Amino acid sequence: NAGVMQNPRHLVRRRGQEARLRCSPMKGHSHVYWYRQLPEEGLKFMVYLQKENIIDESGMPKERFSAEFPKEGPSILRIQQVVRGDSAAYFCASSVDRQETQYFGPGTRLLVL
Amino acid sequence: EDKVVQSPLSLVVHEGDTVTLNCSYEVTNFRSLLWYKQEKKAPTFLFMLTSSGIEKKSGRLSSILDKKELFSILNITATQTGDSAVYLCVGRHGGATNKLIFGTGTLLAVQP
Repeated sequence: NAGVMQNPRHLVRRRGQEARLRCSPMKGHSHVYWYRQLPEEGLKFMVYLQKENIIDESGMPKERFSAEFPKEGPSILRIQQVVRGDSAAYFCASSVDRQETQYFGPGTRLLVL
Repeated sequence: EDKVVQSPLSLVVHEGDTVTLNCSYEVTNFRSLLWYKQEKKAPTFLFMLTSSGIEKKSGRLSSILDKKELFSILNITATQTGDSAVYLCVGRHGGATNKLIFGTGTLLAVQP
């Protein structure tokens, strides 16, 4: 059973471009969470999604950031018009249901030049 | 505001030593406390603690939760160089959110 997969593992963007980060949860998991780890800081919750629904987006900036988890395909975290402060590691986690342990992917390291 | 505080921030020991990592938390609608190990990639799950006073063990690692004092410890006995990592203490919300509140971690370096 493959773990949580994220791609790309590394992403370089110039200021003003768009970044798309993908997360494929573990097989059988329908709950997906996105976390951001800024340099020298701990992981911070961004958004929690269940298939086709956003359950909690309280940790996601209101502008430029959006997330989706369609019925088919991976979850996508989209950052429009990236700025240098968006440079961070973005981790995705999944769980089989709301009560269960979250398992993490390897992360996408975004660098904005 | 929810917070999880870990101490020490970093720790250097020699192989064979025993270490204790500390974690205090303030999490609204607290459901459980988790420990993860983070090396150069994804955090890997170690323990989930829901009840006070019940020790969980996995090999040389063990952990316990005190819900009255809002505190948890992670013990590692007979440390090995492969134990070198950042250890993350995480509080989990109950209710609909299920979100995790991470501490900044304890960096453990085990020297040969």
